[in-house]
Amino acid sequence: GAVVSQHPSWVICKSGTSVKIECRSLDFQATTMFWYRQFPKQSLMLMATSNEGSKATYEQGVEKDKFLINHASLTLSTLTVTSAHPEDSSFYICSARGTGWVYEQYFGPGTRLTVT
Amino acid sequence: KNQVEQSPQSLIILEGKNCTLQCNYTVSPFSNLRWYKQDTGRGPVSLTIMTFSENTKSNGRYTATLDADTKQSSLHITASQLSDSASYICVVSTDAGNMLTFGGGTRLMVKP
Repeated sequence: GAVVSQHPSWVICKSGTSVKIECRSLDFQATTMFWYRQFPKQSLMLMATSNEGSKATYEQGVEKDKFLINHASLTLSTLTVTSAHPEDSSFYICSARGTGWVYEQYFGPGTRLTVT
Repeated sequence: KNQVEQSPQSLIILEGKNCTLQCNYTVSPFSNLRWYKQDTGRGPVSLTIMTFSENTKSNGRYTATLDADTKQSSLHITASQLSDSASYICVVSTDAGNMLTFGGGTRLMVKP
């Protein structure tokens, strides 16, 4: 199956700083990538959808200036949490769809962000 | 409003036993229904994907059923193993794959 990786797998940062999370499709070209956030014991919540070379589409209630998404290539999307606060602490998961795929999207292993 | 409800929220079973997880949805228009397994601290992994015309699909010890008329799905796990301990998430798509509605998940614990 297709493989999606995320880096880092966990990160601790201080309040007010920015942190970047990478999502890579390792063995396919991802025309669309999705970013999700998951709080403990809750299900995934879609934050934004990005298509390669285009601006990301953010879900209602997600601050686009706080969560910067860049999908600059067919194998890499990045999520930057700017001016992080403790309430941004969460599990961030990306997923990716390849060119011509009908249904499937593969999820990355997730990144645990803790803001102190 | 599109919704996916799963039951039970949590379940504890003994190793070797079978179990069935339930998923009810009110998603329209319906494209496909997926079951994912999510280990703690990991991303979801696809178990099955079913379209409107499919009413059962198996993946090893996992068998999913779909009743599009009643908008219900189930995931049956046979001969459970300790490694089956995870959250199982039912996800319904309104189009080919972009718009996913996630259920809250069922947390399964398999005990020896």
